[in-house]
Parts: sequence; C-alpha cells; structure tokens
Amino acid sequence: DADVTQTPRNRITKTGKRIMLECSQTKGHDRMYWYRQDPGLGLQLIYYSFDVKDINKGEISDGYSVSRQAQAKFSLSLESAIPNQTALYFCATSDRTGSYNEQFFGPGTRLTVL
Amino acid sequence: AQSVAQPEDQVNVAEGNPLTVKCTYSVSGNPYLFWYVQYPNRGLQFLLKYITGDNLVKGSYGFEAEFNKSQTSFHLKKPSALVSDSALYFCAVRGPGSSNFNKFYFGSGTKLNVKP
Repeated sequence: DADVTQTPRNRITKTGKRIMLECSQTKGHDRMYWYRQDPGLGLQLIYYSFDVKDINKGEISDGYSVSRQAQAKFSLSLESAIPNQTALYFCATSDRTGSYNEQFFGPGTRLTVL
Repeated sequence: AQSVAQPEDQVNVAEGNPLTVKCTYSVSGNPYLFWYVQYPNRGLQFLLKYITGDNLVKGSYGFEAEFNKSQTSFHLKKPSALVSDSALYFCAVRGPGSSNFNKFYFGSGTKLNVKP
C-alpha cells in the first residue's frame, strides 16, 4: 500500500551490526505495528504502538527495539543483528476507531544477516 | 488461545475454475476473521472480513468467504479463477473480548497457483 512506506526495501548486513528499519505512513492512523514473516510461519508480531507515548511488546520482541518518533513514523532496530533475524519485515497501521478494522501493510523490508 | 490454521500450503487450479482456500480458526468468544493477499514483493492487502451478520462475505477482486460457525471455518472462494489471482493468501483472526487492541493472529499462508 503506497500509504505505508518502508525503508530500506532490502538490506544485507553482518552479524553484530546495528540495523534500523524505518516505517512512515500518510494514512493518519494512530496504531502502528512491526511484524516479521518467515516462510511457512505466517506473520509474527514484534512490537506495536497505539500512539507516540505507547509502546508494547509483541510475541517475539527479544533482540528488537522500537521508536515512535511521531504519529507517522515507527522504527524498528536490531541492536546486534544475528543470522536468525534474517526475514521479511512488515510495518502495518490501523485506525483506532473500531476494534475490528483491518490493518494496512507496507511493502516490506527483506533483511539478510550474514 | 486464538489461532488460525491453513491446512494447505499450496492450491493449484486451472483458470476459469472455481477456487477455495481453506481456513479454520480457534477463538474464545466471537471470531473476527480476515483474509489478506500478498503478491510477490508486495505487502499484504486486505481482501475481506467477517465481523457479524451474513455468513457469506464479499470482498475485493471477486473474492468471497463463507463463515461456518459449526465447522469453525472461514474458507475463501472465487467462482472463476484468474491467472492474476496467483499469490499468497493469509487468513487471520482478531483477538476477541473487550480489549481495545486489535491484535491479529495470522495463518501460515496458502500459495495459490492458477494455471492458464
């Protein structure tokens, strides 16, 4: 969805390096999410944020940290990357009005840790 | 605990034939069910959702899904498949209850191959 952008789209890095993945949205949504996708495992929630002052851990937060710099920006950091963090990472947003609203996804960042 | 199962890793169908992508769920309380599609090198796109009401839900690109409470299923269907429907399809369930957090639980995905 063009309203949710992620940078970079692809990144190759080495074990132990610090990596930041960035997400921006123009949908005006309050809620933002970071997921990772591994083949055959679907999507797993890493962190989520309801607003700038609200950050919460998801299912697999170990080894990751996030920053909500503004309503429209939500960054994911790997402080010291390891090979099993090689995956496809997605940012998503949703509107607070209605708990049943769908999430809107960015195009993804393919991260390879050597 | 909430969970979603997609029993088929891959579904193959000929263009013009009907297609079904299966999904079963396990939730405590009322289920809120979603289907997403992922094209190569793209993020997930919302197709349709079931919250309440009619068991047959119509969505984007001619897709529909049938909610069956007794079988705890939410299968995705299309009467006539197109080659362009070839993609990865995800079923998801939203956690129930009064929480304001719409956490999604995703299935493992089903790859749909539509052959000319």
